[in-house]
Amino acid sequence: DAKTTQPPSMDCAEGRAANLPCNHSTISGNEYVYWYRQIHSQGPQYIIHGLKNNETNEMASLIITEDRKSSTLILPHATLRDTAVYYCIVRVVHTDKLIFGTGTRLQVFP
Amino acid sequence: GAVVSQHPSRVICKSGTSVKIECRSLDFQATTMFWYRQFPKKSLMLMATSNEGSKATYEQGVEKDKFLINHASLTLSTLTVTSAHPEDSSFYICSARGQGAWVDEQYFGPGTRLTVT
Repeated sequence: DAKTTQPPSMDCAEGRAANLPCNHSTISGNEYVYWYRQIHSQGPQYIIHGLKNNETNEMASLIITEDRKSSTLILPHATLRDTAVYYCIVRVVHTDKLIFGTGTRLQVFP
Repeated sequence: GAVVSQHPSRVICKSGTSVKIECRSLDFQATTMFWYRQFPKKSLMLMATSNEGSKATYEQGVEKDKFLINHASLTLSTLTVTSAHPEDSSFYICSARGQGAWVDEQYFGPGTRLTVT
């Protein structure tokens, strides 16, 4: 079973920051938080992952709370092409499985 | 880098026939590959995990005789849907986990849409 909960949908204006929350209150100390997104009828795309420190890459930033029970994915300047379903997943270090939950459907509007 | 391809992208077959889907890691060696299926407007469901040179590990409820998985090399895994029926129609997606720098990340293929008539 998925160990994360996300809002089913969110809207964001183009050019604004999109902040996507995720709750993972049962996360263990050896579990990473991963974010993927899936644009319609394509395979999921890796975005970012982290353990306990905040992370940033060319696509997004990941903010993990100090107790690690929740996190937020930030797309700093959303574009129409960021419209997708965003999945937050926890994964045990050095194991393979990604168990997808229902994700958040982000709609970026002009 | 880290490109995963699938072939075919779409396939239509008649009920009772078998269909093979290929998953290739193009620019890295994949120690582990995964197969998912996805129904319309639903999330991805993990079907099985395959490691090169060994038998696949199937998730609970997935019929291993129905969905045959072969991982013969570090760059190729195949999923064969045997004696396909309309209820097997779905979007099948593979992913691969690499060695070295990408060991913590899985990269997904573009998916294969199977329609069984």
